Amino acid sequence: DADVTQTPRNRITKTGKRIMLECSQTKGHDRMYWYRQDPGLGLRLIYYSFDVKDINKGEISDGYSVSRQAQAKFSLSLESAIPNQTALYFCAIGIPNADTQYFGPGTRLTVL
Amino acid sequence: GDSVTQMEGPVTLSEEAFLTINCTYTATGYPSLFWYVQYPGEGLQLLLKATKADDKGSNKGFEATYRKETTSFHLEKGSVQVSDSAVYFCALSDLSGNQFYFGTGTSLTVIP
Repeated sequence: DADVTQTPRNRITKTGKRIMLECSQTKGHDRMYWYRQDPGLGLRLIYYSFDVKDINKGEISDGYSVSRQAQAKFSLSLESAIPNQTALYFCAIGIPNADTQYFGPGTRLTVL
Repeated sequence: GDSVTQMEGPVTLSEEAFLTINCTYTATGYPSLFWYVQYPGEGLQLLLKATKADDKGSNKGFEATYRKETTSFHLEKGSVQVSDSAVYFCALSDLSGNQFYFGTGTSLTVIP
């Protein structure tokens, strides 16, 4: 089984719709992250969480919200999607004592 | 703030050619440095890392040396293969290890 799973893998939606992207991990690590990837811009951090009660904004949190429902689950929501939120979204977990991250397979979101 | 600048692509090489992808960083203190690789349709995977000055990270024939004096962490491989075709990201983690900063990515295509 994959260590980090993301659902859905692809989603097409319309402007103004509410969208939730989900991330689950099987490793039991505390740290989880959401990034978006855009061509020419690399990865940019949206939100991160170090445990269920700890949520932190990243570089580009406007227009997004998150929920850490359990240690293993970290969801990203777009309350009212807009076209410039069309991107590839990645969830990652932080590996303790290894000072690195492990990424999920990504969700491709298109907002029309 | 902390940041990473890496060489723009795309880069196209013939099989068995020598590869260099440049990466420089700006950071407070001495961060850990990473190279991640993203194969088509997949998430990012850690390729190699270095945690202190003069450390050399290596994996799958790729190498990078942490150069404090030039604030650089250039990726090299002596003989690339078609299977190395991917997007390569340079990254650093801040001193707390809580946040990661990624470069914009360099696309590499290796032709037979």
